Amino acid sequence: GIQVEQSPPDLILQEGANSTLRCNFSDSVNNLQWFHQNPWGQLINLFYIPSGTKQNGRLSATTVATERYSLLYISSSQTTDSGVYFCAVGRSGNTPLVFGKGTRLSVIA
Amino acid sequence: DGGITQSPKYLFRKEGQNVTLSCEQNLNHDAMYWYRQDPGQGLRLIYYSQIVNDFQKGDIAEGYSVSREKKESFPLTVTSAQKNPTAFYLCASSIVSGRASYEQFFGPGTRLTVL
Repeated sequence: GIQVEQSPPDLILQEGANSTLRCNFSDSVNNLQWFHQNPWGQLINLFYIPSGTKQNGRLSATTVATERYSLLYISSSQTTDSGVYFCAVGRSGNTPLVFGKGTRLSVIA
Repeated sequence: DGGITQSPKYLFRKEGQNVTLSCEQNLNHDAMYWYRQDPGQGLRLIYYSQIVNDFQKGDIAEGYSVSREKKESFPLTVTSAQKNPTAFYLCASSIVSGRASYEQFFGPGTRLTVL
């Protein structure tokens, strides 16, 4: 099956710093989503981005489908950005998502 | 308010008992999914259903069972055959339309602990 690798596994930032999270996947996909898991476990949808670039406030994402990777950018990080960020991909149609192991982000004041 | 609800939020089970986790959605989505998350790990697929009265096993279906009698409901039963059921369980749903791909949305989760 498809493999999803996220890097780095852990990241500690000072408040106000910028960061880039990476997601590599092993095969072509037609669904790619980024999630933020909050301290209560809820998965918050950040981006649905099987290709191209999107921006939402301080967050943006880029997926280069032909090279099988996606990047999540967080600018001017805040303590509320702390948590685990997951990348998940789907092969075709409405096949279930395959998740990476996540990047644990800690933003310190 | 449209969304996905899961109940209960916390569940404690004695060894040897079956328990059922509820998942309901009012988004009019066709597909529903159950995932399991262990500490420090990503999510793994247990079962999914793309239409009423039909469902498929995921990667870790052993020890679990599901039903899909209504479009809006997809309950998961954790049976006594599941050897290590303590985990966080997440339900999701999405639209189905041909081979197109649509965004999946998740409920708040149920945390199951076996005593």
